[in-house]
Amino acid sequence: DQQVKQNSPSLSVQEGRISILNCDYTNSMFDYFLWYKKYPAEGPTFLISISSIKDKNEDGRFTVFLNKSAKHLSLHIVPSQPGDSAVYFCAASYRDDKIIFGKGTRLHILP
Amino acid sequence: EAGVAQSPRYKIIEKRQSVAFWCNPISGHATLYWYQQILGQGPKLLIQFQNNGVVDDSQLPKDRFSAERLKGVDSTLKIQPAKLEDSAVYLCASSLVLAFEQFFGPGTRLTVL
Repeated sequence: DQQVKQNSPSLSVQEGRISILNCDYTNSMFDYFLWYKKYPAEGPTFLISISSIKDKNEDGRFTVFLNKSAKHLSLHIVPSQPGDSAVYFCAASYRDDKIIFGKGTRLHILP
Repeated sequence: EAGVAQSPRYKIIEKRQSVAFWCNPISGHATLYWYQQILGQGPKLLIQFQNNGVVDDSQLPKDRFSAERLKGVDSTLKIQPAKLEDSAVYLCASSLVLAFEQFFGPGTRLTVL
């Protein structure tokens, strides 16, 4: 039973444009949602989080939007840069307990 | 600040053999996690330690996997005997305060032939 779903295995975006990565979840008890970024041969690195009581959190070029009624969140990267090419994992946490990860979306930034 | 260290980085073994992975978390991080990441999947938690006590090992296949964290610092994860389906990247992570701000090591890629 997949509680965190990333339905797009990959995404290609032109450099300078907006990248939008999507994520759906099933458990309404999650209270934090997270995005992790992973380069090849490295471990995931924490990117940005959002509390379930908010609908938007922004950090530089990265913004995460949360739609609780739709159980959906998205990560926006503006503008997209070559270094953003990586695998992005959506994840969720309940009561600051363990993280449940989605399968990831591979983002390719095209020159 | 040094990151999470793991060794070895790569390991190839035959099925039914044994293997062990080592992790040194970031200094001062009380919580340590071991994850299994199968190709095309997200990381799946195997075991979580708080200092040297086990908090959650519900997803650890205890008939073949074991883990320990001596003195609340370094940790080892062992597989004995290995199966073909154990081929994966094994990630170690640690956290200081918030569970979701975890710091991951580079992982050990295990191939079971």
